[in-house]
Amino acid sequence: GAGVSQSPSNKVTEKGKDVELRCDPISGHTALYWYRQSLGQGLEFLIYFQGNSAPDKSGLPSDRFSAERTGGSVSTLTIQRTQQEDSAVYLCASSLPGTNTGVYGYTFGSGTRLTVV
Amino acid sequence: AQKVTQAQTEISVVEKEDVTLDCVYETRDTTYYLFWYKQPPSGELVFLIRRNSFDEQNEISGRYSWNFQKSTSSFNFTITASQVVDSAVYFCALSEALMGRRALTFGSGTRLQVQP
Repeated sequence: GAGVSQSPSNKVTEKGKDVELRCDPISGHTALYWYRQSLGQGLEFLIYFQGNSAPDKSGLPSDRFSAERTGGSVSTLTIQRTQQEDSAVYLCASSLPGTNTGVYGYTFGSGTRLTVV
Repeated sequence: AQKVTQAQTEISVVEKEDVTLDCVYETRDTTYYLFWYKQPPSGELVFLIRRNSFDEQNEISGRYSWNFQKSTSSFNFTITASQVVDSAVYFCALSEALMGRRALTFGSGTRLQVQP
């Protein structure tokens, strides 16, 4: 696609329920990243994919968080047993392949605003 | 570990004023990249500039200019003759060139409000 697409754009869920957030990167972008932005805060790195593998998942805050990527394209971030502190905007970004991110930078999606009530 | 500090939480200026957003970073790597992103009220992050650690030349793009100084570990961003459309949150970010480490480290952002 022309840009990074994320769905849903907004999600309200009850505490304890599971949620799935979807990211569709730019075609040809083999690198994919998930970040979280809490209200009034900066961006917190969650996980990085290169193709379908995740060489860096150091930012996932707990084992309730998981992510997968299939076909080197779409990625799903799953949060199990959601808590109120999970409320945030979840941003996805993708980039062209390269020896490091700095060569090309990222293109970000518009994010999914998750509210846990 | 790398760190990016944007000490200015919020700045308010009147249209046509010049404004500088500060960014100070910490890294142990000798090869790294610095970025600025703009986040307008719509929420999407817009890439503004990338600068590698070996290029200390200042850069100007229209009303935007960037001052990179390795000696003070700073990468400041100046908007000349600010406009209302410049109102947004601006993030500075750092990427280290270590193999396998791909994530950007972001500062906490500076909210710029340009009043008409």
